Amino acid sequence: NAGVTQTPKFQVLKTGQSMTLQCAQDMNHNSMYWYRQDPGMGLRLIYYSASEGTTDKGEVPNGYNVSRLNKREFSLRLESAAPSQTSVYFCASISTGTGGYEQYFGPGTRLTVT
Amino acid sequence: RKEVEQDPGPFNVPEGATVAFNCTYSNSASQSFFWYRQDCRKEPKLLMSVYSSGNEDGRFTAQLNRASQYISLLIRDSKLSDSATYLCVVNRKKAGKLIFGQGTTLQVKP
Repeated sequence: NAGVTQTPKFQVLKTGQSMTLQCAQDMNHNSMYWYRQDPGMGLRLIYYSASEGTTDKGEVPNGYNVSRLNKREFSLRLESAAPSQTSVYFCASISTGTGGYEQYFGPGTRLTVT
Repeated sequence: RKEVEQDPGPFNVPEGATVAFNCTYSNSASQSFFWYRQDCRKEPKLLMSVYSSGNEDGRFTAQLNRASQYISLLIRDSKLSDSATYLCVVNRKKAGKLIFGQGTTLQVKP
């Protein structure tokens, strides 16, 4: 049981390049999330997917697109990277149960756009 | 104004000290409350949920005051290993979006 996995761990892009961040979870969770974390800003929600086949915008969606490929996978795409997108990106999924619910995070992708 | 606000610190305390963090939230419709811990350059992990009646887990005690819209975390007998950033998190509806505070940094010194 790997939990939430993300690839790549590190990436450097030039302005205008595109890339896709991959995320997968093996816990059979319905809901998945993409956050970015910047110094002094906490985690900000980019997009989320409440279930397979649905996606919704979060707090800071501009410049990003997402795909919920199946229940396990939720990818984040930067079509034309900008220096303002330099950040740490976390993918997460939620477990709901009798004890409440817990959001599990992947290890993060550290992205630098030059 | 941010929906969830925390004092970023850092809080520098000696080992064995008791330290308390507060967090305020602005949306009275918030339903669920949590404290997460984040170590340097790592992902956040759930520390504990926060209930209206207050709850304790070992050296950690969390309290919720709905009337004043604040949440607290008390750490007793601080250990070096408690050094981390503590994130206050609220949710407005079940299994919905979680809103994170910017975090409070704790440094426990020998």
